[in-house]
Amino acid sequence: EAQVTQNPRYLITVTGKKLTVTCSQNMNHEYMSWYRQDPGLGLRQIYYSMNVEVTDKGDVPEGYKVSRKEKRNFPLILESPSPNQTSLYFCASSLKGVGGTEAFFGQGTRLTVV
Amino acid sequence: GENVEQHPSTLSVQEGDSAVIKCTYSDSASNYFPWYKQELGKRPQLIIDIRSNVGEKKDQRIAVTLNKTAKHFSLHITETQPEDSAVYFCASGHDSGGGADGLTFGKGTHLIIQP
Repeated sequence: EAQVTQNPRYLITVTGKKLTVTCSQNMNHEYMSWYRQDPGLGLRQIYYSMNVEVTDKGDVPEGYKVSRKEKRNFPLILESPSPNQTSLYFCASSLKGVGGTEAFFGQGTRLTVV
Repeated sequence: GENVEQHPSTLSVQEGDSAVIKCTYSDSASNYFPWYKQELGKRPQLIIDIRSNVGEKKDQRIAVTLNKTAKHFSLHITETQPEDSAVYFCASGHDSGGGADGLTFGKGTHLIIQP
């Protein structure tokens, strides 16, 4: 089954404790991205990657890192989480650059930083 | 960068009536306009999309219209049903050839279908 898988689904952590949210897709998509969803603000892009070893900042990259060592995986790293990073996070992938095709979303990760 | 405005933020309609959600965008290079539906507690899923070489597209009870000159596009849902209750997001994007910087989403419309 074609899918984008994120882990964990729920995470509560403390300020400053490094964490990683994993994202994996099995559709051989080149393009992957991370969004955060906050009430009243919609979906805002954090980082995106057009292919292996190619990443770039989205609209709200501060406090986040990503890596793309393999085509299927695109982890989101919070080196020193803060309470303002409490949010619902979605990973998405698509076949190629956005001008073409549907973005498939993962099931979401609800992160709480206390 | 691109800016997408979406209205209204909340829309309540009687079951069986039509619903219309409108979006405007700012980047004249944008050429791809998808709409996503997000049910409560679930991930966003594509319901319909339109490209800039087309003015209208229909899929059963859902239609999208695009006015490139005015830089706006709309989602139309006819004969609304309870299962249409969800948050709807419009988005815009473009493929710049050598690179692409992702979709820019509107802030979402919470559609409520009243029985």
